Amino acid sequence: QVQLQESGPGLVKTSETLSLTCTVSGGSINSYYWSWIRQPPGKGLEYIGYISYGGSTNYNPSLQSRVTISVDTSKNQFSLTLTSVTAADTAVYFCAREAWGASYTHLDHWGQGTLVTVSS
Amino acid sequence: EVVMTQSPATLSVSPGERATLSCRASQSVSSKLAWYQQKPGQAPRLLIYGASTRATGFPARFSGSGSGTEFTLTISSLQSEDFAVYYCQQYYNWPFTFGPGTKVDMK
Repeated sequence: QVQLQESGPGLVKTSETLSLTCTVSGGSINSYYWSWIRQPPGKGLEYIGYISYGGSTNYNPSLQSRVTISVDTSKNQFSLTLTSVTAADTAVYFCAREAWGASYTHLDHWGQGTLVTVSS
Repeated sequence: EVVMTQSPATLSVSPGERATLSCRASQSVSSKLAWYQQKPGQAPRLLIYGASTRATGFPARFSGSGSGTEFTLTISSLQSEDFAVYYCQQYYNWPFTFGPGTKVDMK
């Protein structure tokens, strides 16, 4: 059974860079697309972007200027960086897998999520 | 961007009753629509994909229908473990977008 686990700092200072890693276990990162989604406390879900195992990416236009998603197939990990963060970036960040080894499909496996708080 | 709306925001239901949740897209998303169940402190869990295909692990009391811009999630006889927030998501147009959610709570 594929499992995903987010890791990274729980507190980031305003204007600095948020960095998170998602480690995939129980399966290979190859042949799938991998996503980041976030959820501000008490609010709904926002898709940040996704990356293919080959490294091609697609970012939400609302965040595109600040987001980078990368993949390290040797470690079975993919990562998120978000620059120039503000309090509005405070959220639970989830990593997830797109089903069927394709983009433009549903998310069939999710990590448990990690809360990142942005504060001065 | 495709805007997803859900109604009602909160649905109060007694165990054993039927629950009907609606999701609407601002433009057609064909059948590229998923439903997720989220319980407090947990990640969302895939419930329905392709508008009507039930994901592994969910019982037959959950069903999805619709295409284009109008979608429905029905829980035929609500059980205690079904009280949660339900989100719809379109994956037809990028950026993929979620609805604001419907909270199903106990009447």
